Amino acid sequence: SAVISQKPSRDICQRGTSLTIQCQVDSQVTMMFWYRQQPGQSLTLIATANQGSEATYESGFVIDKFPISRPNLTFSTLTVSNMSPEDSSIYLCSVEGGPTGFTEAFFGQGTRLTVV
Amino acid sequence: GENVEQHPSTLSVQEGDSAVIKCTYSDSASNYFPWYKQELGKRPQLIIDIRSNVGEKKDQRIAVTLNKTAKHFSLHITETQPEDSAVYFCAASRKNSGGSNYKLTFGKGTLLTVNP
Repeated sequence: SAVISQKPSRDICQRGTSLTIQCQVDSQVTMMFWYRQQPGQSLTLIATANQGSEATYESGFVIDKFPISRPNLTFSTLTVSNMSPEDSSIYLCSVEGGPTGFTEAFFGQGTRLTVV
Repeated sequence: GENVEQHPSTLSVQEGDSAVIKCTYSDSASNYFPWYKQELGKRPQLIIDIRSNVGEKKDQRIAVTLNKTAKHFSLHITETQPEDSAVYFCAASRKNSGGSNYKLTFGKGTLLTVNP
């Protein structure tokens, strides 16, 4: 398995500002993903964080709004830019694949974002 | 792209009864079907998964069945307990030959309540 540390766990932000969420894994992983989960809803994939190259975004999500970095195989960040109340949600990182051979996806504890 | 439908959206059972949650998927290339349990305020956690070369998999009180022809899979929980109360998500994806996921597509979730 993988131990994932996601920070911050929650934040309250002013509209128009940006927040960067960090995801740190205790081992090298092949894949890292970022999801959004609105209250009472399912998980929606924002993008796949690619190590050393630009992230792959899903339909409806753009790099200017959700810039992602993945400088190495254990760390990624998601920035929520120019926030509005509609961005209030839980953001989760997910990882899978690694030298230990696990192939299931594990999730961080999530970042609960409230935009006021 | 893949589309996963999940039913029912809510399910209430008496302790000791069985619970069944059903999902259908659209992409015949999908070959990996995990189930996640999410307790309130917690991260999703994998409880069982099945690959397309297997028709059924069991782990104690939990079982998953897969019908590739009909493109549906189901989660079965026997002898339910109050601690089984949570939201359950099914998902589907393709795994490449190296075992890495393509992206997971989630169902909308089922809120299971087990009444004592």
